[in-house]
Amino acid sequence: DVVMTQSPLSLPVTLGQPASISCRSSQGLVHSDGNTYLNWFQQRPGQSPRRLIYKVSNRDSGVPDRFSGSGSGTDFTLKISRVEAEDVGVYYCVQGTRWPWTFGQGTRVEIK
Amino acid sequence: EVQLVESGGGLVQPGGSLRLSCAASGFTLSSHWMNWVRQAPGKGLVWVSGINGDGSSIAYADSVKGRFTISRDNAKNTLYLQMNSLRAEDTAVYYCTRDLGAWWGQGTLVTVSS
Repeated sequence: DVVMTQSPLSLPVTLGQPASISCRSSQGLVHSDGNTYLNWFQQRPGQSPRRLIYKVSNRDSGVPDRFSGSGSGTDFTLKISRVEAEDVGVYYCVQGTRWPWTFGQGTRVEIK
Repeated sequence: EVQLVESGGGLVQPGGSLRLSCAASGFTLSSHWMNWVRQAPGKGLVWVSGINGDGSSIAYADSVKGRFTISRDNAKNTLYLQMNSLRAEDTAVYYCTRDLGAWWGQGTLVTVSS
């Protein structure tokens, strides 16, 4: 199975400051169709997960543009340009290139 | 508007069975991969099973293979997860999701305990 390793696992951030979460895969995530199926999710306390980014860098509709995704191969990053109070929660990456689909452990973002 | 509504969770004894349902609306079920993802209390997300649009391709996590069965009724726009031989470690909130997490339901809690 592809192992997804996120870091850090806990991220205290000052309001208005940037934040960055790393997600590394144990194997390359380029699918035979040429796409890289690496998505990012946000899970606020008590809520279902919500997709923020799909195929590495595509922002979902309604997602603020302070969220961005980048990366290639086995190394991917989610960035929040200026953290707001509503960004508190746990962030997960997931790969859908190879079965079984696998999630990272999650990164808890909190306000300092 | 896309909606996914799970049901069927509850308390069951070890070795028992449950059938989860996920009613979809706002889109055509047969056009999408559908998946079940679970989250144990206080833990992370774990993919459980997936099925393609016409049901011809199915996959399971090793931890549930041989015990869980995913299926879909496109006429009813509903996804199912039949769970047999349940274990304490299957205790979790079960979410149905469309594609690779494009949409999620609110989840249904399954508790396996004597």
